[in-house]
Amino acid sequence: EFVLKQSPATLSLSPGERATLSCRASQSVSTYLAWYQQKPGQAPRLLIYDASNRATGIPARFSGSGSGTDFTLTISSLEPEDFAVYYCQQRSNWPITFGQGTRLDIK
Amino acid sequence: QLQLQESGPGLVKPSETLSLTCTVSGGSISTNYHYWGWIRQPPGKGLEWIATIYYSGNTYYNPSLKSRVTISVDTSKTQFSLKLSSVTAADTAVYYCARDVRYSYQYYGMDVWGQGTTVTVSS
Repeated sequence: EFVLKQSPATLSLSPGERATLSCRASQSVSTYLAWYQQKPGQAPRLLIYDASNRATGIPARFSGSGSGTDFTLTISSLEPEDFAVYYCQQRSNWPITFGQGTRLDIK
Repeated sequence: QLQLQESGPGLVKPSETLSLTCTVSGGSISTNYHYWGWIRQPPGKGLEWIATIYYSGNTYYNPSLKSRVTISVDTSKTQFSLKLSSVTAADTAVYYCARDVRYSYQYYGMDVWGQGTTVTVSS
């Protein structure tokens, strides 16, 4: 099983700041990795697919990078609506796995 | 615009079988490279993948749940379904269905999700 470890578990920042979220895979997943944003009471929303491509309608302040085992989700300048939980997920091999999530809190 | 909608009982008794259906509207369920999956989220916890099916009938299961899970598809109704047997309180969660798009050399992610349905296991 491909384990995904996200860090940090919680990130406290202020609006306007830059957020950097990490996802590390236990084995190479190439670029078969996606990032999701989830707000309370809502379904996850796809942000980034294939490690570095923004999904439809996702603002340019969101960017993804990495390949193999190390991936990063960057939010260049936080907006109030960006405070949420973020998950990475791999689709390189079965079983599909998710990271445990990073909670982005308002400082 | 493609939409997914979960349906099924919100309350299931321990040891019984949880049955959910995801109805796909606004598009086809029989599209190449489109997979259809179930994901759940226990209260206050993260996302757990349960199972995925391709329109051809190929199925993929989370090993931790495989002995209790069955996923199926009905292309004529554009629906896919989940059955989870011998449920316990640990199966209490929000259950989501989602479209998962994976080509040979590129992964497009789980790009369309249902709103989720809460299932509580309790007597």
